[in-house]
Amino acid sequence: QVQLQQWGEGLLKPSETLSLSCVVYGGSFSGHHWSWIRQSPGKGPEWIGEINHNGGTDYNPSLKSRVTMSVDTSQNQFSLRLSSVTAADTAIYYCTRVLDRWSQLSAFDIWGQGTMVTVSS
Amino acid sequence: DIVMTQSPDSLAMSLGERATISCKSSQSLFFSSTNKNYLAWYQQKPGQPPKLLIYWASTRQSGVPDRFSGSGSGADFTLTITSLQADDVAVYYCQQYYLTPWTFGQGTKVEIK
Repeated sequence: QVQLQQWGEGLLKPSETLSLSCVVYGGSFSGHHWSWIRQSPGKGPEWIGEINHNGGTDYNPSLKSRVTMSVDTSQNQFSLRLSSVTAADTAIYYCTRVLDRWSQLSAFDIWGQGTMVTVSS
Repeated sequence: DIVMTQSPDSLAMSLGERATISCKSSQSLFFSSTNKNYLAWYQQKPGQPPKLLIYWASTRQSGVPDRFSGSGSGADFTLTITSLQADDVAVYYCQQYYLTPWTFGQGTKVEIK
């Protein structure tokens, strides 16, 4: 059974950099793309971007200038960095597995437990 | 970006009744070369991440009860829960994966009357 476990700093000050990581237990790491999604309180989810095992990325244009994703295939891990955070970046951040990107099936079938990130001075 | 609009924002039904949620996209999600609609549905219970229910607009994810069904094509989709159960209380989201950035609806909250 595939599981995603994520971790990272939950309280940031404005202008700091958000940093989260996610480890994949079970299943094939190289056979999937991996995404980060966030959800502000009471809102629908927002796709941040995705990465594959080769480090190829695709970011949401609305966040692209501040987002960096990376992958460590030796550890079955992938990471998110979001720079210059503001209060608008306060949200629950989830790491997720893309079901089957190679078949254009970019739905998200496995989710991490979520990390609440609060940006406040 | 493709805008996903769900209706209603919330609904309350009695146990055993049918619940219907609408999702409309700002452009068609049907790709003629694959003959598929690039739409998924999720269920989110309080304090939990979303759970994938349906993809390709009507294909149930493994383990999802058959009282959940998806229908529609183009830019107009529906999630139906036949015979609503207490365990179905949740917020439901649609998501398009036709064009990046992938986008979600604002959610529909389902409650028991």
